[in-house]
Amino acid sequence: DTEVTQTPKHLVMGMTNKKSLKCEQHMGHRAMYWYKQKAKKPPELMFVYSYEKLSINESVPSRFSPECPNSSLLNLHLHALQPEDSALYLCASSFMGFPKTQYFGPGTRLLVL
Amino acid sequence: AQKITQTQPGMFVQEKEAVTLDCTYDTSDQSYGLFWYKQPSSGEMIFLIYQGSYDEQNATEGRYSLNFQKARKSANLVISASQLGDSAMYFCAMREDSVGFKTIFGAGTRLFVKA
Repeated sequence: DTEVTQTPKHLVMGMTNKKSLKCEQHMGHRAMYWYKQKAKKPPELMFVYSYEKLSINESVPSRFSPECPNSSLLNLHLHALQPEDSALYLCASSFMGFPKTQYFGPGTRLLVL
Repeated sequence: AQKITQTQPGMFVQEKEAVTLDCTYDTSDQSYGLFWYKQPSSGEMIFLIYQGSYDEQNATEGRYSLNFQKARKSANLVISASQLGDSAMYFCAMREDSVGFKTIFGAGTRLFVKA
């Protein structure tokens, strides 16, 4: 089973709203990732968690707040977003050992009005 | 500097024919991995195939094979017997062992399969 699930599939929010994106995997992976992808571009890494601890923050604005409550779950809390934050948000997971092949979820399409 | 280069923004292929998607990479690491992902219009990134830098045999997964030419630093994806469902964006990616978690993606190639 190489399934990563993400909810919701679509999200529309205003600039003053607070919302959360959720990601779940049951493959025993201990590394989890958030990516942002704009149309016709490759994914851009935002955050990496390893063993439930934040390992990488790619200088992401604080209006994005990640959380890893346990080894299977990854959340991305959103607050006071801007219209330019509208994008596809992809979650991925991998084993810790090289080559760390990532398996992606279906993504959340976010529209900020 | 670009570490992953995909020079074909768009490709057309006739159904049932084979197609090669190009990918060149640049690294000074001895240990690295190369990946291909498929992204349909639905958005999900689907892992297709992996090649390790020390692997002597070209990787194959069903209709997908990776033509790995280490000296030329190329890792082309070959899709045999194209199907309409193969129409998608394809990304070549690399992970260097020394870097850890970061994966470098190419710009992608949009493949269109014609009936």
